[in-house]
Amino acid sequence: AQSVTQLDSHVSVSEGTPVLLRCNYSSSYSPSLFWYVQHPNKGLQLLLKYTSAATLVKGINGFEAEFKKSETSFHLTKPSAHMSDAAEYFCVVSDLTSGTYKYIFGTGTRLKVLA
Amino acid sequence: DVKVTQSSRYLVKRTGEKVFLECVQDMDHENMFWYRQDPGLGLRLIYFSYDVKMKEKGDIPEGYSVSREKKERFSLILESASTNQTSMYLCASGRTDSPYTFGSGTRLTVV
Repeated sequence: AQSVTQLDSHVSVSEGTPVLLRCNYSSSYSPSLFWYVQHPNKGLQLLLKYTSAATLVKGINGFEAEFKKSETSFHLTKPSAHMSDAAEYFCVVSDLTSGTYKYIFGTGTRLKVLA
Repeated sequence: DVKVTQSSRYLVKRTGEKVFLECVQDMDHENMFWYRQDPGLGLRLIYFSYDVKMKEKGDIPEGYSVSREKKERFSLILESASTNQTSMYLCASGRTDSPYTFGSGTRLTVV
């Protein structure tokens, strides 16, 4: 069965410093992986996706993630945090075992950006 | 842009009421999903549908049912609302090979 683990439930960074949100996955297949962001009282917005084309994936708002098969990781990074990055971030792996395209979500990481 | 619209942003219902949460998408997606989101638990799949009149149970279907009479509309039904169904409900749609698009969510409070 596929699963995803977000290693930190809360991360605090100062504005202008790097962001690292960690995600490990488990998959019997070659997975599709995603990061979504959720701002307060909003729906989820796609940040980036990995679908085996390139291991370093660039997303919106300066975020990127690197797929490392040997470490089963898909960590999200950004060189310099902005106040507007404060939100909850979800790492997601797709589940193809059932023949349908179901997502499996991590429990989320809440990012706080300090002025 | 694909739009997924959830009919209510906030909803307050009484215990035992029948509750309908509506979701409409405008991009002819075959797959639609209902999730509930609770702090510390992430998103959990309630039901999904990959075609009109088709439905599949997700991870937590108990206490819920769904209806998909038209491709663009996927309804979540709480037959008899209970306080433990107080939550944020998120609808999503997508094609089989592309990322989901989510609605803005319905925050349901059952009193």
